[in-house]
Amino acid sequence: GENVEQHPSTLSVQEGDSAVIKCTYSDSASNYFPWYKQELGKRPQLIIDIRSNVGEKKDQRIAVTLNKTAKHFSLHITETQPEDSAVYFCAAMDSSYKLIFGSGTRLLVRP
Amino acid sequence: DTAVSQTPKYLVTQMGNDKSIKCEQNLGHDTMYWYKQDSKKFLKIMFSYNNKELIINETVPNRFSPKSPDKAHLNLHINSLELGDSAVYFCASSRGPIQETQYFGPGTRLLVL
Repeated sequence: GENVEQHPSTLSVQEGDSAVIKCTYSDSASNYFPWYKQELGKRPQLIIDIRSNVGEKKDQRIAVTLNKTAKHFSLHITETQPEDSAVYFCAAMDSSYKLIFGSGTRLLVRP
Repeated sequence: DTAVSQTPKYLVTQMGNDKSIKCEQNLGHDTMYWYKQDSKKFLKIMFSYNNKELIINETVPNRFSPKSPDKAHLNLHINSLELGDSAVYFCASSRGPIQETQYFGPGTRLLVL
């Protein structure tokens, strides 16, 4: 079955700097890759997603890139703000339509 | 106008008890899910229903039984609760099962003593 690995597990950046979180997946049939943000004690919320027919997608300060050949995808947050501090999860939808999540990255943006 | 709601928010119970968690969505979605988030924050799919039919049934103990009385509701019943069942259980819904955004409920924090 699908396996998603996520790195780093924790990331601390200065406000205004960029943050990059990377994920790899194992099932070459996976074709949908969402990213979720979870604040402490709250529900996971989708921040951006990408489908396998595109290589990059951007939404204001957030961008996601996908390399299907290498089976990896990344989240880029530019001009980070303290309110970006949260746990971020990548996920991949496998060929049986299950969403398999990475282990999460705890992002801390220092003011 | 909460999109995906769950009850209860917190559940503290003794080992061996039976408990239920309820989920409702008012988004008109066809597909609903149950996820378990353990103490290390790892999120794992348990079940999924599409139009009231079970389409995903992960390897979970058969003490866990989902029920979907209609498209807007998905309940989770857990028999003979064990310490290891302590976790946050999230319900989610999406328009369909394929490549659609999944919207999560607020979670039910279950603590088994």
